[in-house]
Amino acid sequence: DIQMTQSPSSLSASVGDRVTITCRASQGITNSLAWYQQKPGKAPNLLLYAASRLESGVPSRFSGSGSGTDYTLTISSLQPEDFATYYCQQYYSNPLTFGGGTKVEIK
Amino acid sequence: EVQLVESGGGLVKPGGSLRLSCAASGFTFSSYNMNWVRQAPGKGLEWVSSISTSRSYIYYADSLKGRITISRDNAKNSLYLQMSSLRAEDTAVYYCARATPDYFDFWGQGTLVTVSS
Repeated sequence: DIQMTQSPSSLSASVGDRVTITCRASQGITNSLAWYQQKPGKAPNLLLYAASRLESGVPSRFSGSGSGTDYTLTISSLQPEDFATYYCQQYYSNPLTFGGGTKVEIK
Repeated sequence: EVQLVESGGGLVKPGGSLRLSCAASGFTFSSYNMNWVRQAPGKGLEWVSSISTSRSYIYYADSLKGRITISRDNAKNSLYLQMSSLRAEDTAVYYCARATPDYFDFWGQGTLVTVSS
């Protein structure tokens, strides 16, 4: 199974900050990576797929990059509605696996 | 508008069984792989099971293999998850999710399964 390690597990940031979240796979996943945002009590929402492709309707302040085993999600200027938990997910092979999540809190 | 609506969750005793359903609308259900993903209270996301469009490919998480069966009825636009021999650690919100083809672009609101005596 491919293990997905996200870091940090939580962070505090202010509105307007640039935020970066990292996801490391236990083996190469050739950009088969998605990022999700989840707010309390709600279902996750797809932000990016194929590591860097923005899902329709997602603000352009969200971006993704990476290759091989290491990937990042960047929020260029944090907005109030971005305070949430973020998860990465690999879909290179079964079983599909998620990272442990990164909770973005207000500083 | 794409909609996924789960049902069938509830309180069940350890060792009991439950069948979850997911009603899909707003898209051609038969053209998409479908999945179940769960989330224990206060925890992260865990993929549970996948089924391909024509049921040719079915996958299960090791933690649940042998205790669950995923199925779909394309004529009824519905996805199902039959769960048996339930344990306390199966307590979670279970989400139905559409896959394109293996990441999840639409999710239902989830149904809570609580396993407790």
